Amino acid sequence: DIQMTQSPSSLSASVGDRVTITCRASQSIYTYLNWYQQKPGKAPKLLIYAASSLQSGVPSRFSGSGSGTDFTLTISSLQSEDFATYFCQQSFTTRTFGQGTKLEIK
Amino acid sequence: EVQLVESGGGLIQPGGSLRLSCAASGFTVISNYMSWVRQAPGKGLEWVSIIYSGGSTYYADSVEGRFTISRDNSENSLYLQMNSLRDEDTAVYYCAKDTPLAEVPTGRGSYYYFYAMDVWGQGTAVTVSS
Repeated sequence: DIQMTQSPSSLSASVGDRVTITCRASQSIYTYLNWYQQKPGKAPKLLIYAASSLQSGVPSRFSGSGSGTDFTLTISSLQSEDFATYFCQQSFTTRTFGQGTKLEIK
Repeated sequence: EVQLVESGGGLIQPGGSLRLSCAASGFTVISNYMSWVRQAPGKGLEWVSIIYSGGSTYYADSVEGRFTISRDNSENSLYLQMNSLRDEDTAVYYCAKDTPLAEVPTGRGSYYYFYAMDVWGQGTAVTVSS
């Protein structure tokens, strides 16, 4: 089974900061990598698919990059509504999620 | 509007069974890949099971042999039959539409499809406790 490892597990940042979250796969998943945002008590929301494609309606401050085993999610200028937990997920073989990165206000 | 609504959660004793339902609107369940994902209290997301449009099914190791995913065309619904429930199955269970949002030609007359869960239900809570 493919394992997904995110870092950091938690992150404190301020509005306006540039933030990067990383996700590593235990084997190559090419660009079969998605990113989700989840707020407390809510279902996850798709942000990025196929490693770097922005889902419709998602602000352009969100971007994704990477291929093979190493991927990043970048938020170029944090807004107050971005404080949430972020998950990566592979779709190369069945499905696996990373453990999540909680983004908190500094 | 594309929508998913889960139901069927509740309190169940260890060893018991429960069947979750996920009613879809705005699209046809049997024509799509559909997944179940769960989230234990205070924990991350865990993929549970998927059913492909062709009917193939796959499960996480943690539920293999105990859970069964299925669908009903007449009801346009997805189901998760959960047997031999354990304390560690306590979670909010989400159903999700797993959609091919991008495709890349392979150069051999076919395509690579990039799937992502773009539509989610609101979740249904399952508590396994004596």
